[in-house]
Amino acid sequence: QKEVEQNSGPLSVPEGAIASLNCTYSDRVSQSFFWYRQYSGKSPELIMSIYSNGDKEDGRFTAQLNKASQYVSLLIRDSQPSDSATYLCAVMDTGRRALTFGSGTRLQVQP
Amino acid sequence: DTEVTQTPKHLVMGMTNKKSLKCEQHMGHRAMYWYKQKAKKPPELMFVYSYEKLSINESVPSRFSPECPNSSLLNLHLHALQPEDSALYLCASSQVPDNSGANVLTFGAGSRLTVL
Repeated sequence: QKEVEQNSGPLSVPEGAIASLNCTYSDRVSQSFFWYRQYSGKSPELIMSIYSNGDKEDGRFTAQLNKASQYVSLLIRDSQPSDSATYLCAVMDTGRRALTFGSGTRLQVQP
Repeated sequence: DTEVTQTPKHLVMGMTNKKSLKCEQHMGHRAMYWYKQKAKKPPELMFVYSYEKLSINESVPSRFSPECPNSSLLNLHLHALQPEDSALYLCASSQVPDNSGANVLTFGAGSRLTVL
């Protein structure tokens, strides 16, 4: 069973700060990585996808991928209270061609 | 239309009941998924359909029976469930993953199931 590891948190940051969320994965051949945001009682919604080493920016969000270290991260700049949610890291299992999710990191942005 | 629609939003059933969860998408996606999510846990894969054929069954108990009548519809038939089956059931769809795995899942809002 391929594994995706995240710190469960909660990660607490003040409003306006940078939130840094981290994820490691065990499958060396994985090529597709995703960050989903999930509010309590709601379904996951895609924040970012990343397929190549390096950084990918979209608005206040930056995803970082390091395949050699099997590490993917999500930075949220200028954090807002509305960013408070659980952030799920997901990795495409190349064998099964389905997403495997990490346990999620709960982010709390303090006003 | 960029949505995955799930019905019902909430379902309460007894252990002897038979019910179904329904999922529909009109994005032309040819892969559809059922995930189960318990409180404070990540989604867990149950079934994957690719081109209307079951491609993955994650050793799910037979009291859960998936069905894909056509490329837009996915059902999950429920029978003789247990209280521990109470969870949020998520449907998702995507393009069929290619060898690179580049693929994005779009999730429905989920069906919250309570088994009494």
